[in-house]
Amino acid sequence: DIQLTQSPSFLSASVGDRVTIPCRASQGISSYLAWYQQKPGKAPKLLIYAASTLQSGVPSRFSGSGSGTDFTLTISSLQPEDFATYYCQQANSFPSFGGGTKVEIK
Amino acid sequence: QVQLVQSGAEVKKPGASVKVSCKASGYTFTSNDINWVRQATGQGLEWMGWMNPKSGNTGYAQKFQGRVTMTRNTSISTAYMELSSLRSEDTAVYYCARDRSTVTPYYMDVWGKGTTVTVSS
Repeated sequence: DIQLTQSPSFLSASVGDRVTIPCRASQGISSYLAWYQQKPGKAPKLLIYAASTLQSGVPSRFSGSGSGTDFTLTISSLQPEDFATYYCQQANSFPSFGGGTKVEIK
Repeated sequence: QVQLVQSGAEVKKPGASVKVSCKASGYTFTSNDINWVRQATGQGLEWMGWMNPKSGNTGYAQKFQGRVTMTRNTSISTAYMELSSLRSEDTAVYYCARDRSTVTPYYMDVWGKGTTVTVSS
């Protein structure tokens, strides 16, 4: 099974900050990676798929990069509505998710 | 609009089974695979399996093999997930989620709101 590691689990940032969230796979997964945003009590929302393709309707301040084992989600200028938990998910084989990174207000 | 509407909360005793439904609307139900993902309170996301609504083909995570069954009724555009031999650790919110494309599976673009399943004696 492919394990995804997201570290840190918590990240403090301010509105307007550039935020990068890493995700590391236990083995190479090419570009088969997605990023989701989840707010409390809500279902996850797809932000990025195929490592760097922005899902329709998602603001352009979100971007994804990486391939192989190391991936990054970047929020170019953090907005109040972006405080949430972010999960990476591999799609190279049966899916698995990272443990999540919670972006909190500094 | 495209949406997945899930059935209501369930409370079950240990050893029982639960069947959660997921009704699709706003798109052709048989065009996209359906995944099931669960999340225990305060925990991360856990993928359980997928089903192709057109063929009925399924694939289950090894952890749930033998305990989970995913089915569908195409006449009412509804997918089902049944989990048996419930234990307290199965207490979670269960989501259905649509694959955005048959070309690139496992990218889930539409999610139901979730069904809370509580297992308690």
